[in-house]
Amino acid sequence: DTAVSQTPKYLVTQMGNDKSIKCEQNLGHDTMYWYKQDSKKFLKIMFSYNNKELIINETVPNRFSPKSPDKAHLNLHINSLELGDSAVYFCASSQDRANEKLFFGSGTQLSVL
Amino acid sequence: SQQGEEDPQALSIQEGENATMNCSYKTSINNLQWYRQNSGRGLVHLILIRSNEREKHSGRLRVTLDTSKKSSSLLITASRAADTASYFCATLFQGAQKLVFGQGTRLTINP
Repeated sequence: DTAVSQTPKYLVTQMGNDKSIKCEQNLGHDTMYWYKQDSKKFLKIMFSYNNKELIINETVPNRFSPKSPDKAHLNLHINSLELGDSAVYFCASSQDRANEKLFFGSGTQLSVL
Repeated sequence: SQQGEEDPQALSIQEGENATMNCSYKTSINNLQWYRQNSGRGLVHLILIRSNEREKHSGRLRVTLDTSKKSSSLLITASRAADTASYFCATLFQGAQKLVFGQGTRLTINP
């Protein structure tokens, strides 16, 4: 049973489109995250939610909008996709907001053409 | 930048040898964590070391932390082909709410 699952695994789309990535964790964790990994493998946090409450919002364009309907789910919606959005997006969770021992999903590889 | 720097960027060794990776950072930390990422997969947590600890072990992994030098090292003993992966250090700086990841060391174990 996958602890942190995100879908889809691959996403290929045209510039200007809107797309969503879904994430679910079955670990009973309170905190969930979205990270972006670029082509050079740099991994950078985008958002963090604790019990459905937004606690970290890095300098991410407002075309990116996270939504947490409950503490087990954190989705990412991206409007008006741009070439520079191409990357691998990882969802992660941890027991609480202490940022200790993150569990990562397998990633969504987004390619914007 | 607060980002940790890892050294080397790439490491290739023979199976059975030991592998050492280093991570340096710039400001005081609460803890430092090491993660492994296999190709095309998500990161997997390996070990966490707190700022008041100097060494931790987990199986074939040994992590050291030198807060005076602001550096940590990850030693993998008796390497196996399955250890081939990228290894990342992540630091939780004092007063921060987020982990900051290094760029990673790409480790290749040759059979």
